[in-house]
Amino acid sequence: EADIYQTPRYLVIGTGKKITLECSQTMGHDKMYWYQQDPGMELHLIHYSYGVNSTEKGDLSSESTVSRIRTEHFPLTLESARPSHTSQYLCASIGGLISYEQYFGPGTRLTVT
Amino acid sequence: EDQVTQSPEALRLQEGESSSLNCSYTVSGLRGLFWYRQDPGKGPEFLFTLYSAGEEKEKERLKATLTKKESFLHITAPKPEDSATYLCAVHGGRDDKIIFGKGTRLHILP
Repeated sequence: EADIYQTPRYLVIGTGKKITLECSQTMGHDKMYWYQQDPGMELHLIHYSYGVNSTEKGDLSSESTVSRIRTEHFPLTLESARPSHTSQYLCASIGGLISYEQYFGPGTRLTVT
Repeated sequence: EDQVTQSPEALRLQEGESSSLNCSYTVSGLRGLFWYRQDPGKGPEFLFTLYSAGEEKEKERLKATLTKKESFLHITAPKPEDSATYLCAVHGGRDDKIIFGKGTRLHILP
C-alpha cells in the first residue's frame, strides 16, 4: 500500500489569503504531481516534479507555485486565494522508471469564501 | 489532439448484473493505459495498467482489456461495494503526458 499524505484534509479560508497545501510520501518516489479536480470532472495537472530541485508547470499552474527541496515533500502554495480556487486538490507520486501508475493521497478539499 | 473519453457518464446496475465501462482514447505513442477507482472524498486508487492491444488484466470481479482505440472495464456480478467512480488515464502523446478521462460513476443497487 502506498504511503502518501496530504494536509490539511479540509480548509476553509477567506479571499486573498496565502495558503500552502502539504504533500509527503515515504516511498522514495522521484516523480510527484499536483492535480485539481472538480466534482464530476477530470483531473487537471497543476504542477509536477521529477526529482529534487526539479519542478514543471502543468495546465493550471499560473496561480500557484511548488517547491521540491526534499524527495519526500512537495508543497503547493496559492499566493492569494480566490473563490475560483475552491476545489479538491490531489497529490500523487510515481515510483517506477517505466510504468507510470500513480499513487494518490487522500486529497485536500479547499473552500475559498 | 490527445484525448480520453469515458462512457457512460453514470451507470446504475442491480447487484449481480454484469456490464462494461468504456474508455476511448486518441494518443500517439501509447505508453500505458491505467484504470483507477475513486470513492467519494478520496484520492483515486490504482487498479490496472495495460500496455498493448490484446492485453487483459483481472482483479476479483474486474477485468480490463485494451484495443488500439479503446479499453473496457468489465464488471462481473457486481456487489454494492463496487459502487465508485472509475477513472481511465493514458500516458503518451507528443508531450509524454498523463491524461485523465472524466470517469464513470457506477452505482450498484442491492
